[in-house]
Amino acid sequence: AQTVTQSQPEMSVQEAETVTLSCTYDTSESNYYLFWYKQPPSRQMILVIRQEAYKQQNATENRFSVNFQKAAKSFSLKISDSQLGDTAMYFCAFMKHSGANSKLTFGKGITLSVRP
Amino acid sequence: GAVVSQHPSWVICKSGTSVKIECRSLDFQATTMFWYRQFPKQSLMLMATSNEGSKATYEQGVEKDKFLINHASLTLSTLTVTSAHPEDSSFYICSASEGYGELFFGEGSRLTVL
Repeated sequence: AQTVTQSQPEMSVQEAETVTLSCTYDTSESNYYLFWYKQPPSRQMILVIRQEAYKQQNATENRFSVNFQKAAKSFSLKISDSQLGDTAMYFCAFMKHSGANSKLTFGKGITLSVRP
Repeated sequence: GAVVSQHPSWVICKSGTSVKIECRSLDFQATTMFWYRQFPKQSLMLMATSNEGSKATYEQGVEKDKFLINHASLTLSTLTVTSAHPEDSSFYICSASEGYGELFFGEGSRLTVL
């Protein structure tokens, strides 16, 4: 079974600064996906970034980037130039690479507050 | 990205009644859909995996007779909370897969049982 650990329940960052959210996972799979999802107060789940385990290059989406350390099973999210709209709950998630039945395993989430 | 729509977004019902929540994939066919439950400030808890044309697979501890799931077509899955009680009040979210390593989420449905 897979587990995803987000040990920080809350973080706060000043607007325009950079913040890193940590995530570790445990799996015996060799091929999988890792995700960061954002859940703002509207509670709509929004995909922030996706990483395929077989790719060594860290994924990047505009102000969002990851530090994927496969050997250490670590998958942290860096948010640069934080904006007020980044205030949300963020979930790290794992998915096995095995077709349409693959389910997501979520971490407990972290509440990020961006201060003006 | 693909769009998944949930309806209703908020429902209030009396204790003992049944409530149906729909999850539709609007622009793709979803052979598999997932239903989650989420309490405030907590993570999403997977309740069941819904496969088109077959019985749903429930996670351990989820009552299949309480939470009925029907995936009658490639674009529609429904969750029926039967004989709802106040402890069933929660936020229910569905997601659907195209099968390419990404899930698309509905907007969620808030259930309040009085």
